[in-house]
Amino acid sequence: EAQVTQNPRYLITVTGKKLTVTCSQNMNHEYMSWYRQDPGLGLRQIYYSMNVEVTDKGDVPEGYKVSRKEKRNFPLILESPSPNQTSLYFCASSFQTGSEAFFGQGTRLTVV
Amino acid sequence: AQSVSQHNHHVILSEAASLELGCNYSYGGTVNLFWYVQYPGQHLQLLLKYFSGDPLVKGIKGFEAEFIKSKFSFNLRKPSVQWSDTAEYFCAVNDASGGGADGLTFGKGTHLIIQP
Repeated sequence: EAQVTQNPRYLITVTGKKLTVTCSQNMNHEYMSWYRQDPGLGLRQIYYSMNVEVTDKGDVPEGYKVSRKEKRNFPLILESPSPNQTSLYFCASSFQTGSEAFFGQGTRLTVV
Repeated sequence: AQSVSQHNHHVILSEAASLELGCNYSYGGTVNLFWYVQYPGQHLQLLLKYFSGDPLVKGIKGFEAEFIKSKFSFNLRKPSVQWSDTAEYFCAVNDASGGGADGLTFGKGTHLIIQP
């Protein structure tokens, strides 16, 4: 089954404790991206990757890092999480930029 | 950079009513347009998309949308809604001319509630 898989689905952590949210897709898509969803703000892009070893900032990249060492994986790293990063995070992949995006199930992160 | 405006943040309708959700975008170049739906507690799913051709596109679950280039609009419609259509709806745009490397730009969403 074609899918985008994120883990974990729920995470509560403390300020400053590094964490990684994993994202994996099995569709051989070139393009992957991370979004955060906040009430009243819709989805905002954090980072994107057009292919292996090619990543770039989206609209709200501060406080986040990503890597793309393999085509299928695109982890999101929070080196020092802060409470304003409490949000619902979605990973997405698409065949190429401009194509339909397929979304993961989401990760609800709470930073206390 | 593009921006997407969804006119209604909350819409409440009764079952069998007709639905139209407005979406306008700001970019003047070639665009790809999408409507996504997010059911409670779930991820985003594609309802329909427009890349080129017939400006009236049909999607899943009886939804359709019309691209009006002169109005920079891509409104979503459904002639008769059901209780199961209760969800959040997002309009999104992508710059198709230069490869759209910066991905999808989303509107802030419309929360649709259908009352039985």
